[in-house]
Amino acid sequence: SQQGEEDPQALSIQEGENATMNCSYKTSINNLQWYRQNSGRGLVHLILIRSNEREKHSGRLRVTLDTSKKSSSLLITASRAADTASYFCATDSFDYKLSFGAGTTVTVRA
Amino acid sequence: DTAVSQTPKYLVTQMGNDKSIKCEQNLGHDTMYWYKQDSKKFLKIMFSYNNKELIINETVPNRFSPKSPDKAHLNLHINSLELGDSAVYFCASSDLESQQYFGPGTRLTVT
Repeated sequence: SQQGEEDPQALSIQEGENATMNCSYKTSINNLQWYRQNSGRGLVHLILIRSNEREKHSGRLRVTLDTSKKSSSLLITASRAADTASYFCATDSFDYKLSFGAGTTVTVRA
Repeated sequence: DTAVSQTPKYLVTQMGNDKSIKCEQNLGHDTMYWYKQDSKKFLKIMFSYNNKELIINETVPNRFSPKSPDKAHLNLHINSLELGDSAVYFCASSDLESQQYFGPGTRLTVT
């Protein structure tokens, strides 16, 4: 069954605005990862945050992790048209596999 | 240089046929995976191999058989294809407990 669930399912924003999406999961994790998938392409890794970390940054991306609430958020600042994609969270729960959520589809309007 | 490659990119076939998808990685990773992504974009792991040894085998029909001839290759053979097998299949590789690198996907359409 799915481990992570993203919210919202879809998000439409204007170029330059920030985009925030959330991920909730059910069991204890080793780490949580965010991936991006452009239409018709494979997934690309964005950020990995370990269970003992609370926040991580990479360029215009900011990820937070709250293990007490079993949730994570991904913030994309100053969005660009090229950020249009589906974003997935994935949890590593010490069982050698990643469990993916259903994703958030982000559309950035020019 | 392609890190994880899959062939073919598109595969259209009829019900009942047998087909294979090939995957190769040049990243030197020990672990490789097969995922299935359905029409709702839900991505589910099917198999994982670590150093040519099967370590994950999710509830997948036994018509699906992975084969890893060496650490750099993980192929997926599917027997007696069914309509419900239509999906995009992704290969990925990684070091354990680390980020995964995905191939471009193989879109399988069963008619």
